[in-house]
Amino acid sequence: QKEVEQDPGPLSVPEGAIVSLNCTYSNSAFQYFMWYRQYSRKGPELLMYTYSSGNKEDGRFTAQVDKSSKYISLFIRDSQPSDSATYLCAMSEGAQKLVFGQGTRLTINP
Amino acid sequence: GAVVSQHPSRVICKSGTSVKIECRSLDFQATTMFWYRQFPKQSLMLMATSNEGSKATYEQGVEKDKFLINHASLTLSTLTVTSAHPEDSSFYICSAMRREVETQYFGPGTRLLVL
Repeated sequence: QKEVEQDPGPLSVPEGAIVSLNCTYSNSAFQYFMWYRQYSRKGPELLMYTYSSGNKEDGRFTAQVDKSSKYISLFIRDSQPSDSATYLCAMSEGAQKLVFGQGTRLTINP
Repeated sequence: GAVVSQHPSRVICKSGTSVKIECRSLDFQATTMFWYRQFPKQSLMLMATSNEGSKATYEQGVEKDKFLINHASLTLSTLTVTSAHPEDSSFYICSAMRREVETQYFGPGTRLLVL
């Protein structure tokens, strides 16, 4: 079993839809949780960063962490074609070595 | 803030040659930098962790004599792929850790093609 599980998709939704992406993990020592967006042939870009449990909102993006269930989510509201990318969850115990999910390929159709 | 650059963005070389990739944190100091490798449609695989002024820590299965890492300053780390072979062709990405927020910021990546 992988430490971090993420459905690779692909996921395709119409423009304006709410997108829900999620990851599950097995290591209860993880404290730092991140979502990165990666466009084709580019490096990952940090979208959201959360320490421990809770919700965090930034514009159209909301990140949720449920440590009791070992489950994290990223919601994208009013999705746009420019949101089409691969979304990677990542987490770590002590903000050093990141463990990544496989990444979910998302396409927003105009 | 938190910009990380990589150079070159793309390199093609002949088998047996060495290639150096630079990673720079442009607007912050990074005591720790990381080097990753990514194959098509796969996630990032950590190769090594590089701390300024000390030897890099390599992940299991990564040959330290083949992938030489130097972290000479708080804003620069280099990865040298020595005696490159076609199987070394990949997308190499560095990241730099910003201590204040304890998270990693990634460079744009370097695509290496070994002929």
